[in-house]
This record gives sequence, structure tokens and C-alpha cells, in this order.
Amino acid sequence: SQQGEEDPQALSIQEGENATMNCSYKTSINNLQWYRQNSGRGLVHLILIRSNEREKHSGRLRVTLDTSKKSSSLLITASRAADTASYFCATDKGGSEKLVFGKGTKLTVNP
Amino acid sequence: DAGVIQSPRHEVTEMGQEVTLRCKPISGHDYLFWYRQTMMRGLELLIYFNNNVPIDDSGMPEDRFSAKMPNASFSTLKIQPSEPRDSAVYFCASNRGTGFPNEQFFGPGTRLTVL
Repeated sequence: SQQGEEDPQALSIQEGENATMNCSYKTSINNLQWYRQNSGRGLVHLILIRSNEREKHSGRLRVTLDTSKKSSSLLITASRAADTASYFCATDKGGSEKLVFGKGTKLTVNP
Repeated sequence: DAGVIQSPRHEVTEMGQEVTLRCKPISGHDYLFWYRQTMMRGLELLIYFNNNVPIDDSGMPEDRFSAKMPNASFSTLKIQPSEPRDSAVYFCASNRGTGFPNEQFFGPGTRLTVL
């Protein structure tokens, strides 16, 4: 299985702090994506990083990818209470539209 | 665009009853995915379609589950007969397909409770 595994399972921080979540996967990938899920809602795509990229930024999000270690990290800077959600990484294999999701990191940002 | 639309949002039924979940993907999207989410197993892909044709149904748990996509704007996931262990949130998602980034757009989900 090439399922991503997020670490930690849960993270609680204060507003204004940075939050870092990690994802490890097992097999080679075409790209890796991060999604957010607010309680009771569907997943929302945040950012995609291709296998030939090492770092990508989008607003307060920074994603890194290390294909030699089969791992990725998502950094949310200057967190806000509204960032409280579960965050999932998803991986794919070239030639397929199928994504495999990890079990997620539950982030709580305390005001 | 309204995004991916799912109905119903909540369904409570009794064991043995038939359940039908519905999904309308984003217009112009070629792929449609059905997922199931539980605390124990996380998000599992059940089946996905390309241009209305099922491509991979290896995630469908049993013969009690079936999915159809009669046209590009509608899909159903049916469970017959339903069992308590089918209780979960079922998501439908779509993406634009080959040649585009394969980010998926999710619907709000259907929370199914089987008593």
C-alpha cells in the first residue's frame, strides 16, 4: 500500500504559532497533495507538489517534499483559530487518477 | 459552479433496508469518485468512474454495494441490504481528468446511520 501516514495524529497550538504536520508514504509517487477537512464538511484541496519539486508555497502554507525519504511536511505559519481542522495528505501513482489518503492530523488552534 | 452536490445530507435507516446515495459532479469533470470515511478506517476509495465508465471498483466492500453513473451529471451508490457496519460518511468527489492537475473536489458528504 502507498497510503500516506500523517504525524502527529493530533496537534494543539495557540493562535499565532506555527503548525507542522508530516506525511510519510511507501511507494514512488507522481505528486502529493494536502487537503483540509473542517468538522462535518468535505475535504478541500490546499496544495499540490509534484515529485520533481522540493518546496512550494501558497499564502501561509509551505509544503516540502523529500522523495528520498518518502516524506512531506505541511507548515502553516501564524495559525488562526479558523485553521482548526483535520489535514490529510494524498498520494497518487503516475497513470492513475486514484488518490490514497492518510488518516489525517487533527489540528486545534486555540484563540 | 455549485460544486459537487450530494443528497441526502443525512440518512437514518434500519438494517436490511435499501439505501441510495446521490451525487452530481462538477460540470465538465471527467472523473467521479465515491469514498467512505470512518474513524477506524479513515477515508477509503470505493469506486471511481471515467466518462461514466467504472474504472476501479476494488474498494467496494461487498456485493451489497453497487454504483452507477448513467450520465455525466449523475451517479448513485446503492447499499442493499444495509447493515449497521455501513454507518459512515460517504463522499463523492470529481476532477477534471487527464491533462489537468488531479486535485479532487469533494461534496459535503452523506452521513449514513444504519440502526
